[in-house]
Amino acid sequence: AQRVTQPEKLLSVFKGAPVELKCNYSYSGSPELFWYVQYSRQRLQLLLRHISRESIKGFTADLNKGETSFHLKKPFAQEEDSAMYYCALSGQSDSWGKLQFGAGTQVVVTP
Amino acid sequence: DVKVTQSSRYLVKRTGEKVFLECVQDMDHENMFWYRQDPGLGLRLIYFSYDVKMKEKGDIPEGYSVSREKKERFSLILESASTNQTSMYLCASSSTGRNQPQHFGDGTRLSIL
Repeated sequence: AQRVTQPEKLLSVFKGAPVELKCNYSYSGSPELFWYVQYSRQRLQLLLRHISRESIKGFTADLNKGETSFHLKKPFAQEEDSAMYYCALSGQSDSWGKLQFGAGTQVVVTP
Repeated sequence: DVKVTQSSRYLVKRTGEKVFLECVQDMDHENMFWYRQDPGLGLRLIYFSYDVKMKEKGDIPEGYSVSREKKERFSLILESASTNQTSMYLCASSSTGRNQPQHFGDGTRLSIL
């Protein structure tokens, strides 16, 4: 069975400090991994996906198959980064794009 | 821009009622999903559909059913609402493929009294 674990429920950081959100997964095949974000009073939206290998809003995430991790990082947090972040996985058999989500990490960036 | 519209932002119903949550997408997506979002549990998949009249159970289908009579519309039905179904319900749609992003609606906050 596939599982996504986000060990931190709440992450509080100061503006300008680095932020790292942890995501670990359990899956025997080759996963597709995503980060979704929900800002206050907005709908859940895709932040980035590992296959794109891009930086979005200063965030990057690297898939580490050895450690089965997909941590989200940003070198300098901004107040507008305060949001709920979800890590999600799509398995090889999920051809319709079914996702398994983690429990989420609430990020609070204080000035 | 993809638009996923959920019929209600807030809904209050009584235990035992039959409840309908409606979702419409305007991007001709094949796949549609229903999740419930609870603090500390993240998003849990209730049902999904990959084509008209096709449906698959997700992780927590008990107490729910779905209907997809048209490609753009996916309905979630609580057959006999119970207080433990009080939650935020999110609808999403996507094109077929593992790498395709899911596009979400604003959510319906459902309270069962």
